[in-house]
Amino acid sequence: EVQLVESGGGLVKPGGSLRLSCAASGFSFSNAWMSWVRQAPGKGLEWTGRIKSKIFGGTTEYAAPIRGRFIISRDDSKNMVYLEMNSLKTEDTGVYYCVGNSNMWGQGTLVTVSS
Amino acid sequence: DVVMTQSPLSLPVTLGQPASISCRSSQSLVSSDGNTYLTWFHQRPGQSPRRLISQSSNRDSGVPDRFSGSGSGTDFTLKISRVEAEDVGVYYCMQGTHWPLTFGGGTKVEIK
Repeated sequence: EVQLVESGGGLVKPGGSLRLSCAASGFSFSNAWMSWVRQAPGKGLEWTGRIKSKIFGGTTEYAAPIRGRFIISRDDSKNMVYLEMNSLKTEDTGVYYCVGNSNMWGQGTLVTVSS
Repeated sequence: DVVMTQSPLSLPVTLGQPASISCRSSQSLVSSDGNTYLTWFHQRPGQSPRRLISQSSNRDSGVPDRFSGSGSGTDFTLKISRVEAEDVGVYYCMQGTHWPLTFGGGTKVEIK
């Protein structure tokens, strides 16, 4: 069974940092392109960034709103993907989903940026 | 960025009747490899999105055959042949041809 389990969400002040983790199982993780998609409360979906599989160079791509503040990394030996979030803004508030190859989604973890 | 425009925003439907959602992109979604990376997702209230269709018309395993996707270039359509109660929720189209990947604003399907 495919599983993606996010953790690390919570309440953080503007300007603070948070690290999200995603544990994957049930599929060939090392071959998957992993992404983080977020959803602000009551709003639509926003693709924030992705990391390609090692065979495609393991490179990362980021959407403009998070570029320079967020970093995506992966550890294929642990089937884990991470989202390091820095300089957080109130508009970063939302549920963050870990996504594998667009067809595998976690349950999401809530990040709230508020003073 | 490629802008994805969905219509309608809200779609009240009668059980057993058909439904159709339109998705238009601001640029052609035909990739340099010849494929068209247009994906449809369904998100039920309180749940994570689920992929229904990839590359415009390829239905995912386990997705009922009442769902179908069509279109090319910049115009795409998701059709439900006979709406069932479990089909309520928000439907999103997403383009995967150009970075950043972008979603449509969503179409909320509800039962009349």
